[in-house]
Amino acid sequence: AQSVTQLGSHVSVSEGALVLLRCNYSSSVPPYLFWYVQYPNQGLQLLLKYTSAATLVKGINGFEAEFKKSETSFHLTKPSAHMSDAAEYFCAVSASGTYKYIFGTGTRLKVLA
Amino acid sequence: DAGVIQSPRHEVTEMGQEVTLRCKPISGHDYLFWYRQTMMRGLELLIYFNNNVPIDDSGMPEDRFSAKMPNASFSTLKIQPSEPRDSAVYFCASSSPPGTSGIYEQFFGPGTRLTVL
Repeated sequence: AQSVTQLGSHVSVSEGALVLLRCNYSSSVPPYLFWYVQYPNQGLQLLLKYTSAATLVKGINGFEAEFKKSETSFHLTKPSAHMSDAAEYFCAVSASGTYKYIFGTGTRLKVLA
Repeated sequence: DAGVIQSPRHEVTEMGQEVTLRCKPISGHDYLFWYRQTMMRGLELLIYFNNNVPIDDSGMPEDRFSAKMPNASFSTLKIQPSEPRDSAVYFCASSSPPGTSGIYEQFFGPGTRLTVL
């Protein structure tokens, strides 16, 4: 069985500050992990994905995430927040060869001027 | 490519009415997924198709919901009769075969916001 926990349903950061969005997973098989972003009134857009090739994954818009097996975590970071980063972020897990994504409950990021 | 296309973007209807949501997947993708997003339950997978055939509909909430995929470029999700608790955002996503990576990378449409009064 697989599950995802996103800590913090709302996160606020100042513009230019570090963004850290937390995701912990549970999986009985080697997981594939994803971060998606959802801007208001839009669909989900893939930010980055972990496929076991490298533990540090770089995505679009300056975001990156690090897979830490020992901590069962896949936290999303960005060194310097921009106003345009304000959105909802979803972590998801799946297993190789399966179509089913298990999504976290989402974290709404607010960027303060 | 235009991406996954959904229509309508917004739908407001009255309880008891039939609602049909439409989706055009990305050309060449032979996997199609329907999701529902609500505040209470987050993102839920309702049903998925492979090569136009429904494979897993275990997420469909009840018999009032039905989905079809008559061809590779079109799918519908129908609710009949609709109820206020069906109010949600419904997303369609499509994916190409996973290949050697084993990943079904899903591309989402913009969603249909359904309000049932």
